[in-house]
Amino acid sequence: DIVMTQTPLSLSVTPGQPASISCKSSQSLLHSDGKTYLYWYLQKPGQPPQLLIYEVSNRFSGVPDRFSGSGSGTDFTLKISRVEAEDVGVYYCMQSIQLPYTFGQGTKLEIK
Amino acid sequence: EVQLVESGGGLVKPGGSLRLSCAASGFTFSSYSMNWVRQAPGKGLEWVSSISSSSSYIYYADSVKGRFTISRDNAKNSLYLQMNSLRAEDTAVYYCARDNPMVADFDYWGQGTLVTVSS
Repeated sequence: DIVMTQTPLSLSVTPGQPASISCKSSQSLLHSDGKTYLYWYLQKPGQPPQLLIYEVSNRFSGVPDRFSGSGSGTDFTLKISRVEAEDVGVYYCMQSIQLPYTFGQGTKLEIK
Repeated sequence: EVQLVESGGGLVKPGGSLRLSCAASGFTFSSYSMNWVRQAPGKGLEWVSSISSSSSYIYYADSVKGRFTISRDNAKNSLYLQMNSLRAEDTAVYYCARDNPMVADFDYWGQGTLVTVSS
């Protein structure tokens, strides 16, 4: 199975400041079709996960442009340019290049 | 608007069975692969099972293989998860999630249904 490792596991950010979450996979997520199957989800308190970023860097419909994704191969990053109060929750990366699909442990973001 | 509504969760004894349902609306259900993902209390996300649009392809996590069965009824816009031989470690919120081949895996999720396995 592909292991997804996120760091940090928690972070506390002042509103308006940036935040960054790293996700490393144990195998390359680059498929022969040219796509990289790395996704980012946010689970707000008491809610189901919601898709933020697909294929490393594509923002899903309705996702604010303060969220951005980058990376390649096995190293990926989610950045929030200016954290807002509504961004609190747990962020997960996920790979779907190979079954079983696997998620990172989650990174809990709180507001200072 | 895409909507996924799970039902069927509840309290069941170890060794018991439960059938979860996911009612889909707001999109052409028969055109999309679907998934079940679970989350144990206070824990992270775990993929459970996937089924292709026509049920031709079905996959399971090793942790549920042989005990859980995923199925769908495209005429009823519904996804199912039959869970047998339930164990305490199956206790979790179970989410159904849609695959969108044009955009992303797991692009929409339901609110989830809680399954508790306890004597």
